[in-house]
Amino acid sequence: QKEVEQNSGPLSVPEGAIASLNCTYSDRGSQSFFWYRQYSGKSPELIMFIYSNGDKEDGRFTAQLNKASQYVSLLIRDSQPSDSATYLCAVNQAGTALIFGKGTTLSVSS
Amino acid sequence: NAGVTQTPKFRILKIGQSMTLQCTQDMNHNYMYWYRQDPGMGLKLIYYSVGAGITDKGEVPNGYNVSRSTTEDFPLRLELAAPSQTSVYFCASSDGQGNQPQHFGDGTRLSIL
Repeated sequence: QKEVEQNSGPLSVPEGAIASLNCTYSDRGSQSFFWYRQYSGKSPELIMFIYSNGDKEDGRFTAQLNKASQYVSLLIRDSQPSDSATYLCAVNQAGTALIFGKGTTLSVSS
Repeated sequence: NAGVTQTPKFRILKIGQSMTLQCTQDMNHNYMYWYRQDPGMGLKLIYYSVGAGITDKGEVPNGYNVSRSTTEDFPLRLELAAPSQTSVYFCASSDGQGNQPQHFGDGTRLSIL
């Protein structure tokens, strides 16, 4: 069974620090990788997506993919209290469905 | 820009009742999805559709039905509601296959009592 694993947290970081969120996946055929942010009581919101090995940067966010290690991460630089949320990792093989992890809760303290 | 619109936002059902959760999107996306999310859990795929007239089961389809008569609409039907179906339901759409990002509606919070 295809699985996506995330540490549930909470991950606590002080304001201004770098938050590092990690995700591993079991299916070596996975091709597309997504990070969603979900505030409490709200719907998932797309933060980043990455398809190729290496880093992809967008503002304060950097997604990192290592297909050999089956590992994808999200770095948040200069963390802000407004970044406090649950971050969902989602992985797709060559198909339609996304497999979601259970999410990591991030808490940024001011 | 409405995106993906879900109705209702909240609903309480009695055991054995049935209802339809509505989902409509205005982005002309072919792919649409229904997920459920239980507390502390990730999203589980219930059903998906790759275009009008085409639907398929996801990971947790039992107790649900869907139809896709138009590109815009993808309703989810609950027959004989059970307490195990208490959850938050999200509809999503994407422009293409699974390698494209999915855009989510605001969700429907459903309680079965």
